[in-house]
Amino acid sequence: DSGVTQTPKHLITATGQRVTLRCSPRSGDLSVYWYQQSLDQGLQFLIQYYNGEERAKGNILERFSAQQFPDLHSELNLSSLELGDSALYFCASSDDPGYGYTFGSGTRLTVV
Amino acid sequence: DQQVKQNSPSLSVQEGRISILNCDYTNSMFDYFLWYKKYPAEGPTFLISISSIKDKNEDGRFTVFLNKSAKHLSLHIVPSQPGDSAVYFCAAIDGSSNTGKLIFGQGTTLQVKP
Repeated sequence: DSGVTQTPKHLITATGQRVTLRCSPRSGDLSVYWYQQSLDQGLQFLIQYYNGEERAKGNILERFSAQQFPDLHSELNLSSLELGDSALYFCASSDDPGYGYTFGSGTRLTVV
Repeated sequence: DQQVKQNSPSLSVQEGRISILNCDYTNSMFDYFLWYKKYPAEGPTFLISISSIKDKNEDGRFTVFLNKSAKHLSLHIVPSQPGDSAVYFCAAIDGSSNTGKLIFGQGTTLQVKP
């Protein structure tokens, strides 16, 4: 157990639908990062939150949004889903990224 | 624009031999580099890192070398063990961004044969 909890582990949904992925960071970590890993691709940075505020944005589609709540858990909302959104979505947390993020085990999203 | 590149998608080595995984980068503002290991159905786990002020960092069987002039780093695993079989990601932090955002390479799948 890495200390970063992601739910659900698997999600199958239809095109056009909306889903919410949830992440609870490691205790004490203020930063939460979301990454997407598509088939045979590296990890693509989506968005970062630090203590409730958006800190950095990557290649995140306008159909996607995220937030970090006062208890520091984060949610990634994906809407108007397309087949190409099928991927592994990882959440990571850190207090000092120079010592390495701690990743959750990911949510595998399948859009059919 | 792929700022961190791992040009070898896969590598196969014999148990007990050295594994060398390579990574190139383009952004001269990167000041911290990390290697992650990923097993199937798990999240990446941090392996080793190196600051841009160093050229080598060692942790047990794992050594990372950084050549700033060539914008190249490598991960050496000696001796390689079957349990090292995984996908290895190189990642970098842009020191000017103040976010700690990691930029990852595409990964190299290492297979260590018994």
